[in-house]
Amino acid sequence: DTGVSQDPRHKITKRGQNVTFRCDPISEHNRLYWYRQTLGQGPEFLTYFQNEAQLEKSRLLSDRFSAERPKGSFSTLEIQRTEQGDSAMYLCASSIIRNRDNSPLHFGNGTRLTVT
Amino acid sequence: AQSVSQHNHHVILSEAASLELGCNYSYGGTVNLFWYVQYPGQHLQLLLKYFSGDPLVKGIKGFEAEFIKSKFSFNLRKPSVQWSDTAEYFCAGRPSGTYKYIFGTGTRLKVLA
Repeated sequence: DTGVSQDPRHKITKRGQNVTFRCDPISEHNRLYWYRQTLGQGPEFLTYFQNEAQLEKSRLLSDRFSAERPKGSFSTLEIQRTEQGDSAMYLCASSIIRNRDNSPLHFGNGTRLTVT
Repeated sequence: AQSVSQHNHHVILSEAASLELGCNYSYGGTVNLFWYVQYPGQHLQLLLKYFSGDPLVKGIKGFEAEFIKSKFSFNLRKPSVQWSDTAEYFCAGRPSGTYKYIFGTGTRLKVLA
């Protein structure tokens, strides 16, 4: 278990620029999640993949956000035309389908985005 | 709306004091409940989970939680905290019929040596 890996750890960008984050889940995990966390709040669900299929997406997610998991392994989260309100910690988590389907999420260290 | 709420946002305790952090969930059906901990500078880690069966679940580092269905609660407890328990604690739930895990706002615990 090498853990969930996220890259980069920090990203500073100017308003209006596009940014892309990468997540490498634990190798045998077929579920992958993206969450966003701001100061004083718990992680907020953005989207979920089972293998390469994006099965659930938050209604709060604007059209500027897109996520992919093309081969069912790593995933990318792109934010287009960034706004200052996008500044947050973006968390990736993975899990595996088990018998009773109660497997917990394993989180990465996150990517901290600052939009200036 | 489905939600998970935590009542204590900041808790300060002295070492050896007992800890109880409140968590309530607001959804029906099968409950999948979790407590996560985030130590300073580290990623979220699972403390314990509850799916069914014995409502008193034990986790790592001496933590336990009790599921009380009638109160829609899943409170976290530890009989005697240590300075190393200083961290932020998140309660989470996954309602049946969705793969979305819903998190509470977190409780920041500071243990004084």
